[in-house]
Amino acid sequence: AQSVTQPDIHITVSEGASLELRCNYSYGATPYLFWYVQSPGQGLQLLLKYFSGDTLVQGIKGFEAEFKRSQSSFNLRKPSVHWSDAAEYFCAVGAGTYKYIFGTGTRLKVLA
Amino acid sequence: DSGVTQTPKHLITATGQRVTLRCSPRSGDLSVYWYQQSLDQGLQFLIQYYNGEERAKGNILERFSAQQFPDLHSELNLSSLELGDSALYFCASSVGTLGNEQFFGPGTRLTVL
Repeated sequence: AQSVTQPDIHITVSEGASLELRCNYSYGATPYLFWYVQSPGQGLQLLLKYFSGDTLVQGIKGFEAEFKRSQSSFNLRKPSVHWSDAAEYFCAVGAGTYKYIFGTGTRLKVLA
Repeated sequence: DSGVTQTPKHLITATGQRVTLRCSPRSGDLSVYWYQQSLDQGLQFLIQYYNGEERAKGNILERFSAQQFPDLHSELNLSSLELGDSALYFCASSVGTLGNEQFFGPGTRLTVL
């Protein structure tokens, strides 16, 4: 069955530090992969997506993610975190033509 | 602002009642998706419509139903409400199918008392 795992429920980093949020997926074919961010009281906003091609994907707000097929992972990274990055981050996989499966989310806290 | 609108923003009702949540997609988007977000279940895909037709179903209960109208707005109907239905319900829209970015609305917070 298709699934998405975000093993870290909460992560706390200091402002200016680097960030890596983990995402592992289970899907039979080559997946469509997404990272979304949800700020408090807001809907989800797409950060980046991977369909094919270059395995390192650049997104908005200085985020990037790397697709590693051998590890079934699609980890999100940012070299220097800003206080405004505090939010909840969701990894998602496109399962089939229309269906999306989201991970349970990682809540990021940024210390000043 | 994603361009997706949802009404109402908040809804408080009692168990056993029925409510309707409304979603207007972005101009030009043909696909509408419904999601339920709760603390214990996370973000769950419920159902998707494309140009008026149901295209995919997720973890949607039989007490829930949805439709997409000719003007492409969508409604999610929740009936025989239970306490556990309290959640944030999101609508998202996209131009077409899986390869397109989904734009999420601000959500409707449903509280069942």
